[in-house]
Amino acid sequence: DVKVTQSSRYLVKRTGEKVFLECVQDMDHENMFWYRQDPGLGLRLIYFSYDVKMKEKGDIPEGYSVSREKKERFSLILESASTNQTSMYLCASSLDPRTQYFGPGTRLTVL
Amino acid sequence: AQSVTQPDIHITVSEGASLELRCNYSYGATPYLFWYVQSPGQGLQLLLKYFSGDTLVQGIKGFEAEFKRSQSSFNLRKPSVHWSDAAEYFCAVGAGKSSYKLIFGSGTRLLVRP
Repeated sequence: DVKVTQSSRYLVKRTGEKVFLECVQDMDHENMFWYRQDPGLGLRLIYFSYDVKMKEKGDIPEGYSVSREKKERFSLILESASTNQTSMYLCASSLDPRTQYFGPGTRLTVL
Repeated sequence: AQSVTQPDIHITVSEGASLELRCNYSYGATPYLFWYVQSPGQGLQLLLKYFSGDTLVQGIKGFEAEFKRSQSSFNLRKPSVHWSDAAEYFCAVGAGKSSYKLIFGSGTRLLVRP
């Protein structure tokens, strides 16, 4: 079974803090994704990576950056957290780019 | 532009009753279609997917979905709902054979009455 893990299930941060969300997959998948999920909006793609050190912007990259130094790990960085970044963040990975496997999510609250 | 519409925000069914969740998509070519389920506090689990071939697709947990090109629909069905099926369901469309991108609908929350 594909296993995608995220470093925290719940996170509370203050406005202006730098926030790191970590995602690890154990299936040697080349593609990894970060989404945010908000009620009534479904999932929106923030960034994805198709290889180590390679990344592409998704639909809502503003205020976020990513890092992929190793194949199994994909980090989402909020350089200066703001209250409108309070959300559920979901990581996914895939071999076939169309079939994505999701982690359990990190619920981030920015105060 | 591609889009996915799930017209029902909430649906309530009685345990043992049949279920149909609606999904309509907008995409010019043959889409790649998915249904995911999200239990409370959990990530998304893939229920089933359609890439090509037989338009009736079987998935896990007794779910199936039917691709109808003429109606641009990919509705999810289950003949007899169990209380453990209460969750949020997301339809998604993949744009293009090599495209990474999935477009998600806004979700339908299923409530199951005892």
